[in-house]
Amino acid sequence: AQSVAQPEDQVNVAEGNPLTVKCTYSVSGNPYLFWYVQYPNRGLQFLLKYITGDNLVKGSYGFEAEFNKSQTSFHLKKPSALVSDSALYFCAVRDVNSGGYQKVTFGTGTKLQVIP
Amino acid sequence: GAVVSQHPSWVICKSGTSVKIECRSLDFQATTMFWYRQFPKQSLMLMATSNEGSKATYEQGVEKDKFLINHASLTLSTLTVTSAHPEDSSFYICSASNREGGYTFGSGTRLTVV
Repeated sequence: AQSVAQPEDQVNVAEGNPLTVKCTYSVSGNPYLFWYVQYPNRGLQFLLKYITGDNLVKGSYGFEAEFNKSQTSFHLKKPSALVSDSALYFCAVRDVNSGGYQKVTFGTGTKLQVIP
Repeated sequence: GAVVSQHPSWVICKSGTSVKIECRSLDFQATTMFWYRQFPKQSLMLMATSNEGSKATYEQGVEKDKFLINHASLTLSTLTVTSAHPEDSSFYICSASNREGGYTFGSGTRLTVV
């Protein structure tokens, strides 16, 4: 069974500082990995994904994530945090080898608070 | 591209009534759509996978007779919460597989049953 762990319920960072939101995963095969952001009472917005290729993936709003196969991690990063980045962030994984069954498993979410 | 429209964005209904939530892919065909439920301060729980023209696949513990899913066309899937009760109050989100190998999410529906 596939799983995703986001070990931090909340991350606080000062505006202008770099931020990291951690994610580790477990799948039986190769992973598709995703990051989504959710603002209050809103659906999820896609940030970035890793399917294959370069381990460093760049996404929306200046975010990037690095796929590390040996550590089974896919941490979300941004060089300089903005107050408007404050939101709930979800990491998700899908097993590439799941064939026609496209079940995506989400982490429990990490609340990012950027302090002015 | 790859926009998913979910309607309504919020709804209040009386206990015992049914509520229908629509999920439309606006500029692409979605053969597979997914319905999630999100409790406060919790992650998304996959309720069911909806395939166009066939019966939905429900996750363990989800009552298929209570949460009716219809995926009648390549651009529309509906979730009907039947005989709603206060414990059904939640945030429901749909998503669809998009052309880029990812998933596009609707904006969600806040259901409050009183």
